[in-house]
Amino acid sequence: GENVEQHPSTLSVQEGDSAVIKCTYSDSASNYFPWYKQELGKRPQLIIDIRSNVGEKKDQRIAVTLNKTAKHFSLHITETQPEDSAVYFCAASIPPDTDKLIFGTGTRLQVFP
Amino acid sequence: DSGVTQTPKHLITATGQRVTLRCSPRSGDLSVYWYQQSLDQGLQFLIQYYNGEERAKGNILERFSAQQFPDLHSELNLSSLELGDSALYFCASSPTKTGGQSEQFFGPGTRLTVL
Repeated sequence: GENVEQHPSTLSVQEGDSAVIKCTYSDSASNYFPWYKQELGKRPQLIIDIRSNVGEKKDQRIAVTLNKTAKHFSLHITETQPEDSAVYFCAASIPPDTDKLIFGTGTRLQVFP
Repeated sequence: DSGVTQTPKHLITATGQRVTLRCSPRSGDLSVYWYQQSLDQGLQFLIQYYNGEERAKGNILERFSAQQFPDLHSELNLSSLELGDSALYFCASSPTKTGGQSEQFFGPGTRLTVL
């Protein structure tokens, strides 16, 4: 069945360093890959997404890359700040008949001042 | 605030009982999704409704059911509750039928505790 693997499960970095989270998906038909950030006790919120016709997308300190051949995509956060500390989830969609997001298991990012 | 509302915020009940969780999507959004998030776990997709009709199903137990009403609010019914059903239940909404192509906006969640 559909599956999204996410690594690492926890990540600790020093403020100002970069953080990279990687995901691999199983269904080659997936064409939409969002990343959600969930702060402690709060709802998940979309921070960036990428579609399969694009290889890279950047929004300030956040970037996502997609390698369709290898079926993996990554989240890159540069110049990390303590407020980046949260759980990050990757997801992959499976169109066209099953309009659902399959989420990875999450990465707990801690940024130490 | 995403514009998606969920009630109640917290729910404590006993094994074997039945509960109903309620979700109101953002104004104008036709799709509603339900997710289960267990402690330290990811988000498990349960079910999607679009404009009143079931659109997609995930790993939803037979003890669970959902519906979307004409005013587009949705309810998730959980019956014969077990300890393992304790979790945070999120509702999300999006404007389109194809949820995978547009952002899903999550509600604040309902924390269910089964004792």
